[in-house]
Amino acid sequence: AQSVTQLGSHVSVSEGALVLLRCNYSSSVPPYLFWYVQYPNQGLQLLLKYTTGATLVKGINGFEAEFKKSETSFHLTKPSAHMSDAAEYFCAVSPGNQFYFGTGTSLTVIP
Amino acid sequence: GAVVSQHPSWVICKSGTSVKIECRSLDFQATTMFWYRQFPKQSLMLMATSNEGSKATYEQGVEKDKFLINHASLTLSTLTVTSAHPEDSSFYICSVPRAGDETQYFGPGTRLLVL
Repeated sequence: AQSVTQLGSHVSVSEGALVLLRCNYSSSVPPYLFWYVQYPNQGLQLLLKYTTGATLVKGINGFEAEFKKSETSFHLTKPSAHMSDAAEYFCAVSPGNQFYFGTGTSLTVIP
Repeated sequence: GAVVSQHPSWVICKSGTSVKIECRSLDFQATTMFWYRQFPKQSLMLMATSNEGSKATYEQGVEKDKFLINHASLTLSTLTVTSAHPEDSSFYICSVPRAGDETQYFGPGTRLLVL
């Protein structure tokens, strides 16, 4: 069975501070891992993904995530938060064609 | 540019009416498309898998007679909410997987408000 856990439904950071959004997964097979961002009243936009190869994955808008198999984690980070980063972030795991989403983390950036 | 489109983006209807939502894959053909529902401040919940040339596969708890899915072509899937009620008000999002690419491409979503 597949599942995704995002710790912290709400995260607040100051502008310029480190962003850390946590994601842990369980999967019966080696999964593909994704982070998506959703702005209000919009669909999901892919930030980054891990399939194979290098475990540190760089995405758009300065975000990156590291796949740690031993910890079954795929945490999302950004060194310096920007006001425009305020949004909902979803971690997803895909063992095949189907996606399983976490419950989402709402990121607030404080000026 | 957009890979997946949805129409309409917003719809308000009276209780008891039916509403059709279209999902189009703009850049590639897809034998499979997915329909999700998202309630405010919640995650996406998979409703059904739309299969071109065959019946849709519904997730547990989703009424197939309530949410009619038609995969009309390799680039179009439609979701019809029949006899809509206020509790059907939600954000409906489709996604399209591309062969050879592990990513799903999401539409911009359709917000349905049933009065």
